[in-house]
Parts: sequence; structure tokens; C-alpha cells
Amino acid sequence: DGGITQSPKYLFRKEGQNVTLSCEQNLNHDAMYWYRQDPGQGLRLIYYSQIVNDFQKGDIAEGYSVSREKKESFPLTVTSAQKNPTAFYLCASSHWGTSGKETQYFGPGTRLLVL
Amino acid sequence: GDSVTQMEGPVTLSEEAFLTINCTYTATGYPSLFWYVQYPGEGLQLLLKATKADDKGSNKGFEATYRKETTSFHLEKGSVQVSDSAVYFCALSDYQGAQKLVFGQGTRLTINP
Repeated sequence: DGGITQSPKYLFRKEGQNVTLSCEQNLNHDAMYWYRQDPGQGLRLIYYSQIVNDFQKGDIAEGYSVSREKKESFPLTVTSAQKNPTAFYLCASSHWGTSGKETQYFGPGTRLLVL
Repeated sequence: GDSVTQMEGPVTLSEEAFLTINCTYTATGYPSLFWYVQYPGEGLQLLLKATKADDKGSNKGFEATYRKETTSFHLEKGSVQVSDSAVYFCALSDYQGAQKLVFGQGTRLTINP
């Protein structure tokens, strides 16, 4: 079945530690996205990538980094510079287009907790 | 910039009641509009979408009509079930150099049997 997988489901970070969240899709989508969700709030865009080897900052990119070496994969690293990393992280993907009509499909999410 | 405003929750209804969740938007262009649903501990699932004015999106008994004159995309269902309990997000997508979704804050819906 086609879809988006995220791992791990839960992740614990110690102070000063970098952690990496995995996102893989087999939908043959060009574009991939990372969102952060805090309790009782909507989703905020961290980074997005429209093609391999290219990515752009979203609204809250500080303290995060990404790479896009393969079409199927878009890992997110939460660095020690991110002072409030506890949140639910969602990865999404879509076909790339210029109409704004393409649907984004979401993975099941990773919950990051700070020890 | 673009923005989405949803009615504040939580919303609690009895089974078989009529549901409306209000959503209004502000956009400079001609956005596409979406409703997503999130069940506890899960990611978001697309519920329905509309890509131009007067379009009606529908799925699983839910409907929403793209109203350009009132900049609204209200979600409705005629008879809710306990299984509809979830958080509902309204969102818009308006291509401005990249396709990005702008979300409302979400509305938590609880249906009591």
C-alpha cells in the first residue's frame, strides 16, 4: 500500500542532544513537508522541499535542519538549538504544482519528548 | 498574509445531532480549501476539499461549500456518530512560489451516545 511512514512513533531527547526524525513516502510525490503541532494549536510549517537536493525554510525553521538526498526520504533533525522541542511532528507529501490545488497527505506523526 | 479562523471548541453534541463547524479565511489570491480530520494520536487525514468558488466537497456524510463572497468553508454533517469524535482542521493552499498549507487552530468535536 502506498503511504507515508514516520519513525519512531515516540522519541526522547536529552539536553544538548540532536535527534533525527525519519519520513519516507512511496507515493512518488515530488514535494515533502515537515509540520510541528503543539497542544490545542494548528500545524506550523518547519521546512519543505519541492525537489531532490532542494529545500526551503518554513515559518519556524530555527533550531531544525533537513536534507533531501532521495525523492522518497525527507529526514528532520531537531538540534540542540531548538529550546522547546516537545511537540508532535508531522510529515506530509504531495505532487508538485503551481495551482495550489494539490492535496497534502500526512504520515502518522512522531511525538518528541524532552527528558 | 493568508490566515484561517475556525470556531473555537470544544464542541460537544449528542449522536444524530446536526453539526456545523465554521471556517473563514483571508487570502490574497484564489486558494484551494481543505478540511482535515485528526483522530487521537494519529496524523491528519483529508476529509474533503474544494478548489474554486461554489464547489462543494463531500465525503463520509460531511459537506462544505466554497463561498467566495463570505470567504467561508463551513463543515456540516446532518447526523453525527460517536465515531466522528476527533479534531477537525480547516486549511487553505494558495500557491505563492510554493505550495504551503495554512491551518486553522482546530476544533475538537466530541459526540456522546
